[in-house]
Amino acid sequence: KQEVTQIPAALSVPEGENLVLNCSFTDSAIYNLQWFRQDPGKGLTSLLLIQSSQREQTSGRLNASLDKSSGRSTLYIAASQPGDSATYLCAVEKWGGANNLFFGTGTRLTVIP
Amino acid sequence: NAGVTQTPKFQVLKTGQSMTLQCAQDMNHNSMYWYRQDPGMGLRLIYYSASEGTTDKGEVPNGYNVSRLNKREFSLRLESAAPSQTSVYFCASSPTGAVLSLHFGNGTRLTVT
Repeated sequence: KQEVTQIPAALSVPEGENLVLNCSFTDSAIYNLQWFRQDPGKGLTSLLLIQSSQREQTSGRLNASLDKSSGRSTLYIAASQPGDSATYLCAVEKWGGANNLFFGTGTRLTVIP
Repeated sequence: NAGVTQTPKFQVLKTGQSMTLQCAQDMNHNSMYWYRQDPGMGLRLIYYSASEGTTDKGEVPNGYNVSRLNKREFSLRLESAAPSQTSVYFCASSPTGAVLSLHFGNGTRLTVT
């Protein structure tokens, strides 16, 4: 079974700092990898999707990279803002549909004004 | 746009009681999913419905039943609640069976005493 790990579990940074969140997975035969954001008491919102043939995706201040061979992905957040405070989860999808989507436990980010 | 709506938002049950969690989506999506989220663990798939009229087990189906009532609605039933089912439950939908475009509801926080 695919194992997805996110370290650290929690991170606090001052406003304006650039930061990197990490995601590692045990099986490199993946179809795609997604990064989600979860606000307290809310569901998950998709931020970025990287297909297996891609190495990175960018959206505004967010940049996600994927290194399948090493089983790692990073989410880079530039010039962090208090509104970025949330839990960030990665999810790895293998071929085969809903039973082959595996979520990490998330990193809870706090951006201090 | 309502998106994915879950009811209720909170529920407390006693061991052995039954209840149904409701989920409805207004995006004309074909596929719907039920996940549970527990501290220190990634989201785990309980059941899913790839299309109206079909349902399939996910990773943790024991103790649950589902009904795809129509294209919009997908309910999750606990016949005899157990403390191990204390969790936050999320319903999600996607346009097709591909999990690339998951849209989540805001969750139901269930406590079983």
